[in-house]
Amino acid sequence: KAGVTQTPRYLIKTRGQQVTLSCSPISGHRSVSWYQQTPGQGLQFLFEYFSETQRNKGNFPGRFSGRQFSNSRSEMNVSTLELGDSALYLCASSPFGQGRGYGYTFGSGTRLTVV
Amino acid sequence: AQSVAQPEDQVNVAEGNPLTVKCTYSVSGNPYLFWYVQYPNRGLQFLLKYITGDNLVKGSYGFEAEFNKSQTSFHLKKPSALVSDSALYFCAVRDAPYSGGGADGLTFGKGTHLIIQP
Repeated sequence: KAGVTQTPRYLIKTRGQQVTLSCSPISGHRSVSWYQQTPGQGLQFLFEYFSETQRNKGNFPGRFSGRQFSNSRSEMNVSTLELGDSALYLCASSPFGQGRGYGYTFGSGTRLTVV
Repeated sequence: AQSVAQPEDQVNVAEGNPLTVKCTYSVSGNPYLFWYVQYPNRGLQFLLKYITGDNLVKGSYGFEAEFNKSQTSFHLKKPSALVSDSALYFCAVRDAPYSGGGADGLTFGKGTHLIIQP
């Protein structure tokens, strides 16, 4: 059974640009969550999608957005990139929304560097 | 609101000795608790979880954790440490659905570097 796949693995962007990251969950999983990991702030929750609907959102500015498709694949978008957006972005999938006790399986992440 | 504290930035243990990585939490309702491990330049690997039931939870690679409701703790333990256990460990919590808390995602602690010395 394939795990959670995140693409691309590495990305370098310039300030002011926008970026789209992709996440394919484990087959059959319907929930996808996104997290940002930085040395200073640690792991922070961005948003969670279930059945193509955003269910929860963390405390991030509107420049961070996401969506989920009917096949449960998810994308997150960051517009008007800032240097502080440099981070490892992790995607996690779960069979159902809000965890429901099934836990989360994480992908290897996308390392975004903003220059 | 939910929060997690991992009071130690780093824990050093000699190979073969028992190890403990501490975690305390705060939630509004009932907790779902998780431990994850991260190796350099990798994502998070699931170790174990507490949802309900027995307070002692057994997980991957010989790790276990004990849920203590009165002390709001969920410490990670292993009877005999291996050098290969050296990594960054994260404790995470979320409110169980419909238990009176919010509907946030996982809240993670800052992480504890576990260093096992040969």
